[in-house]
Amino acid sequence: AQSVSQHNHHVILSEAASLELGCNYSYGGTVNLFWYVQYPGQHLQLLLKYFSGDPLVKGIKGFEAEFIKSKFSFNLRKPSVQWSDTAEYFCAGSNTGKLIFGQGTTLQVKP
Amino acid sequence: DTAVSQTPKYLVTQMGNDKSIKCEQNLGHDTMYWYKQDSKKFLKIMFSYNNKELIINETVPNRFSPKSPDKAHLNLHINSLELGDSAVYFCASSQGTSSGNEQFFGPGTRLTVL
Repeated sequence: AQSVSQHNHHVILSEAASLELGCNYSYGGTVNLFWYVQYPGQHLQLLLKYFSGDPLVKGIKGFEAEFIKSKFSFNLRKPSVQWSDTAEYFCAGSNTGKLIFGQGTTLQVKP
Repeated sequence: DTAVSQTPKYLVTQMGNDKSIKCEQNLGHDTMYWYKQDSKKFLKIMFSYNNKELIINETVPNRFSPKSPDKAHLNLHINSLELGDSAVYFCASSQGTSSGNEQFFGPGTRLTVL
């Protein structure tokens, strides 16, 4: 069955620390992968997406993610987090138009 | 300009009642979705409509009935509400049904069933 899993459920970092959030997927065949962010009290917004081509994808607000096919992973990274990055982060996959989400990771950045 | 809007934002009701949530998008998209986010923040798709036709119907109780009067609107009616229906319901839209298309989400409707 298709699935997406996120290993880190709650991450606490200090400002300027580097971030890496794990995401693994289980899909047969081609898959499109996404990272969405949900700031407190707001709706989900797309950070970045991967379809094909360069496995290193750049998104908004300094985020990037790397698609590693051999590891079935699509980890999200940011070199230096800010307090304003405090939010819920969701990895999602799709090969049919139906988004399947991971469990989400709560990121708390301490000022 | 709000791209995907939902009403109401909060909905508190008693068990057994019937309620509706409305969703509208002004992006000109032809595909709309309903997702449910549970208390652990896990998001799961419920339904999807393309050009007013139902194309995705996950294993959702038939107390939930989506209706799409036109491409810009997708409403969700819930009959005989149960405690377990308490959640945040998100509407989303995209252009087309391709798996690579970005879905734009609404602000969510927090439903509390007492």
